Amino acid sequence: DIQMTQSPSTLSGSPGDRVTITCRASQTISSWLAWYQVKPGKAPRLLIYKASDLESGVPSRFSGSGSGTEFTLTISSLQPDDFATYYCQQYNSYPTFGPGTKVEIK
Amino acid sequence: PQLQESGPGLVKPSETLALTCTVSGGSITSAYYWGWIRQAPGKGLEWIGSIYYRGTTYYNPSLQSRAAISADPSKNQFSLRLSSVTAADTAVYSCVRHSPFQVPRGWFDSWGQGNLVSVSS
Repeated sequence: DIQMTQSPSTLSGSPGDRVTITCRASQTISSWLAWYQVKPGKAPRLLIYKASDLESGVPSRFSGSGSGTEFTLTISSLQPDDFATYYCQQYNSYPTFGPGTKVEIK
Repeated sequence: PQLQESGPGLVKPSETLALTCTVSGGSITSAYYWGWIRQAPGKGLEWIGSIYYRGTTYYNPSLQSRAAISADPSKNQFSLRLSSVTAADTAVYSCVRHSPFQVPRGWFDSWGQGNLVSVSS
């Protein structure tokens, strides 16, 4: 298995803040990484695939970067709708997910 | 597309969990694979497996011996069966559309809301 870790596990921010979430893989995964937004009671939403490609319809304040073993998801200006839990997922081999980062209101 | 899970919310230990995903706004006979992901309470997301409508399947090695995914193109549905369940299989089960990128690799671009299945006697 490729193990994924995320930091921080919880992030407190205010609307307008720039926030960054880090995801690390236990071995190199090239750029085979996706990011998801999950809210309670709602279907998860794909944000980014191939480390930095924005899914259609996702606001441009979301961006992804990285390759190899270290990746980041950045929200350039937090909006009220962005308070959620974010997961990374590798697909260099069969899919595995990170443990999640909860973005909460400060 | 829209994906909607259905099935019992309670299953007894040692029995088989069975869930169905109905797809609307798109056809399962497209180029995509269709799969299942679960999240146990307080745990992370776990990919269970995926199917192409013609029957090709891929499974998470940790669940391969107990999981079976099938597809019914005539109903635009696909299903999951998980045998010999225990309390550890208690989770929210979500059906997903799996991008056709060298499956089982790939990402998941559409998700159902999820169906909580509890395993208890």
